[in-house]
Amino acid sequence: DAGITQSPRYKITETGRQVTLMCHQTWSHSYMFWYRQDLGHGLRLIYYSAAADITDKGEVPDGYVVSRSKTENFPLTLESATRSQTSVYFCASRGLAGSNEQFFGPGTRLTVL
Amino acid sequence: TQLLEQSPQFLSIQEGENLTVYCNSSSVFSSLQWYRQEPGEGPVLLVTVVTGGEVKKLKRLTFQFGDARKDSSLHITAAQPGDTGLYLCAGPRGSQGNLIFGKGTKLSVKP
Repeated sequence: DAGITQSPRYKITETGRQVTLMCHQTWSHSYMFWYRQDLGHGLRLIYYSAAADITDKGEVPDGYVVSRSKTENFPLTLESATRSQTSVYFCASRGLAGSNEQFFGPGTRLTVL
Repeated sequence: TQLLEQSPQFLSIQEGENLTVYCNSSSVFSSLQWYRQEPGEGPVLLVTVVTGGEVKKLKRLTFQFGDARKDSSLHITAAQPGDTGLYLCAGPRGSQGNLIFGKGTKLSVKP
């Protein structure tokens, strides 16, 4: 199906482990984003990418790594997970020049024990 | 720092009631967006307002952009249980046009 997908939808891991969250979009949108959503904080931007091989930090990048070797994929890696990274993670994309509309994936609920 | 403050934080009403939620900032925005997020899903865009004073209607939802482009409101007429969800306002910031989001208003409409 066309659209933006995330995997896994749910993940439980332990402190110190490496975790990668996947994001895939079928629209060939240039921009892609990673957000985390926490009670009391709303949606906060972690990293974004303007195109393949171009990434930049958002508001809360510490502890996260991204890559974008292909336009359609934008994985987010937690190199050494911490309890404070327990959250719901959303991937989004934006395609039309001059439009700020973002299309969101269904989210990944990550629990770090 | 541009911030978007939404109020109220929570709203629980009966089916058929009217309601208004607000999105305020001390900064001017070139546009504001409203998204709705249902439980277990990502936000979905409802509307973008661009011109100061603009009013847009989407069925029973009326969106207004303040004259000074610092605030916006969402009015729902005759709310239905299907309107239940988290309503987020968002505005662009920076040269890349990335969005900043308010913390949202969580609406519950009881039958």
